[in-house]
Amino acid sequence: DAGITQSPRYKITETGRQVTLMCHQTWSHSYMFWYRQDLGHGLRLIYYSAAADITDKGEVPDGYVVSRSKTENFPLTLESATRSQTSVYFCASSENRRRFGYTFGSGTRLTVV
Amino acid sequence: AQSVTQPDIHITVSEGASLELRCNYSYGATPYLFWYVQSPGQGLQLLLKYFSGDTLVQGIKGFEAEFKRSQSSFNLRKPSVHWSDAAEYFCAVAPKENSGGSNYKLTFGKGTLLTVNP
Repeated sequence: DAGITQSPRYKITETGRQVTLMCHQTWSHSYMFWYRQDLGHGLRLIYYSAAADITDKGEVPDGYVVSRSKTENFPLTLESATRSQTSVYFCASSENRRRFGYTFGSGTRLTVV
Repeated sequence: AQSVTQPDIHITVSEGASLELRCNYSYGATPYLFWYVQSPGQGLQLLLKYFSGDTLVQGIKGFEAEFKRSQSSFNLRKPSVHWSDAAEYFCAVAPKENSGGSNYKLTFGKGTLLTVNP
């Protein structure tokens, strides 16, 4: 199916475990982004990527790692999950033209216990 | 640094009433402007966008927004609200390509939650 998909939809993990959230888009968009959404903070950018093998930090990158070996995939890894990383995570992608904005995935709700 | 302010955290309107959600931005040059909607448990969906030209833009679901340069505002409006419009609404800005900066990132406001009473 065309679009941007995130998996899993829901995840519960324990403190200290490594977790990887997946994001896949079928449009060959150059740009991809990871946001977290928390009450009172709105959307905060974690990492973004302008192309395969090009990534950069956003506002809140600590504790997260990303990679982009292929244009269509942009996984987000929590190296050692903490309770403060309990959140809803959104992946987004965009064409290489700013006027088009982003297309968002449906999100992954992550709970760290 | 650019910023987006949505002054109203929560708005309640009656079904059939008109709606206006406010958005102000702080930016060196007029950026690209966007409104997104997020229904409960869903991702964000683009409602409309402003690039240049006509300052009144039409979007999906009967929404429109007006860009006012003098006020650095981009307010979202709908003449008659439906119960299905209950959601959270986000205003966002992105720098134009010729305004400098090599990184393309949207800056989001913190959102306005819309409740619709029957």
